[in-house]
Amino acid sequence: QQQVKQSPQSLIVQKGGISIINCAYENTAFDYFPWYQQFPGKGPALLIAIRPDVSEKKEGRFTISFNKSAKQFSLHIMDSQPGDSATYFCAAGLTGNQFYFGTGTSLTVIP
Amino acid sequence: DAGVIQSPRHEVTEMGQEVTLRCKPISGHDYLFWYRQTMMRGLELLIYFNNNVPIDDSGMPEDRFSAKMPNASFSTLKIQPSEPRDSAVYFCASRSTGDYYGYTFGSGTRLTVV
Repeated sequence: QQQVKQSPQSLIVQKGGISIINCAYENTAFDYFPWYQQFPGKGPALLIAIRPDVSEKKEGRFTISFNKSAKQFSLHIMDSQPGDSATYFCAAGLTGNQFYFGTGTSLTVIP
Repeated sequence: DAGVIQSPRHEVTEMGQEVTLRCKPISGHDYLFWYRQTMMRGLELLIYFNNNVPIDDSGMPEDRFSAKMPNASFSTLKIQPSEPRDSAVYFCASRSTGDYYGYTFGSGTRLTVV
């Protein structure tokens, strides 16, 4: 059973627009929800993360929205820039244990 | 800190040959994870260790794959014999207990089996 489902698979956004990537998880015990950003030829790098006791977390242009009752969370990239073009992975898990990753979203920001 | 170090960065080998991938985790991290990334399946967890002990190897595809962690600063992932379907990017990641900032990934090893 896939623990984390991510959509869309790919996304094309105009510069300055908002990019939205969605994820849904299965296990209500999960207590940590990170997002990773991966550039070609590099390993995924932690971008932003949230715990289920808050509904939103913002860091610069990146915001996570979290809906515990729906078991969903999303990444919003405001004022998207060409440099944001990368693959984004959501993940979920229990602190101290393994994370389950989504299948990734390839984001392209058009100048 | 130099981060998680993986070697080699690229490996091209012939079908049937043995392949060994190497990982040096961040000093002080007590968890080490091996992932495989492909276009079709995304990031798949193969195995992870805690304090050098394998905790979950249910993701290892078959007996051709094996992983060891002889000490806190070194781990290997071995494929013997290799097959073309093993071609993928293999990532190593590490974290420490109670680290709320998630994993640190290495740069990966791109394996091509011809």
